[in-house]
Amino acid sequence: QVQLVQSGAEVKKPGSSVRVSCQASGGIFSKYAVSWVRQAPGQGLEWMGGVIPSLTKTHSRQKFQDRVTFTADESTTTAYMELNNVSSEDTAVYFCALGFYGSGLFLPFDYWGQGTLVTVSS
Amino acid sequence: DIQMTQSPSSLSASVGDRVTITCRASQRITTQLSWYQQKPGRAPKLLIYPASILKTGVPARFSGGGSGTEFTLTIANLQPEDFATYFCQQTYRSPPTFGRGTKVEI
Repeated sequence: QVQLVQSGAEVKKPGSSVRVSCQASGGIFSKYAVSWVRQAPGQGLEWMGGVIPSLTKTHSRQKFQDRVTFTADESTTTAYMELNNVSSEDTAVYFCALGFYGSGLFLPFDYWGQGTLVTVSS
Repeated sequence: DIQMTQSPSSLSASVGDRVTITCRASQRITTQLSWYQQKPGRAPKLLIYPASILKTGVPARFSGGGSGTEFTLTIANLQPEDFATYFCQQTYRSPPTFGRGTKVEI
């Protein structure tokens, strides 16, 4: 059974960085791409980018390109998202999600983590 | 980026009703359209991909249709556990983009 377990809630000051982890179990880590999707309070879903562990390849959505880093450690089946220079607009629940990757595309997400609330406040 | 427009943004319904949600893409996306269900405080759950194919374990009262730019999600015989927010998503072109959601309320 596939399970994604994310790290706990974070409170950050504006201008600082936040790192969220996502550990996968169920033996499928190397077969999937790991995406990161965020949801601001009461808002919709926004794909930020992701990593393909088997290819050591990452994609970042243009609006986050300068501030976000996606990594994955296959030995621990853990993916990470680090967001720099955060502001109040980054307050959101951050989800990791697994889906297939092909032809440069992140395909729909079959498995999701439980979400990590990141609050940015002075 | 491809824009996904969902309508309505919310709807009220009763148990046993049939409801339909529409999702329009700003450009043709063939059938690269998914539907997710999200309940409060929970992660989204993938229901349908591509366009009309139910994922394993999704009840048959859910159905999806459409291709190109216009898509629908229909829930027949609405059940109490179906009251949730539904999102469409395109994966035809990167970045994958979502609609703003439709909240199905009692």
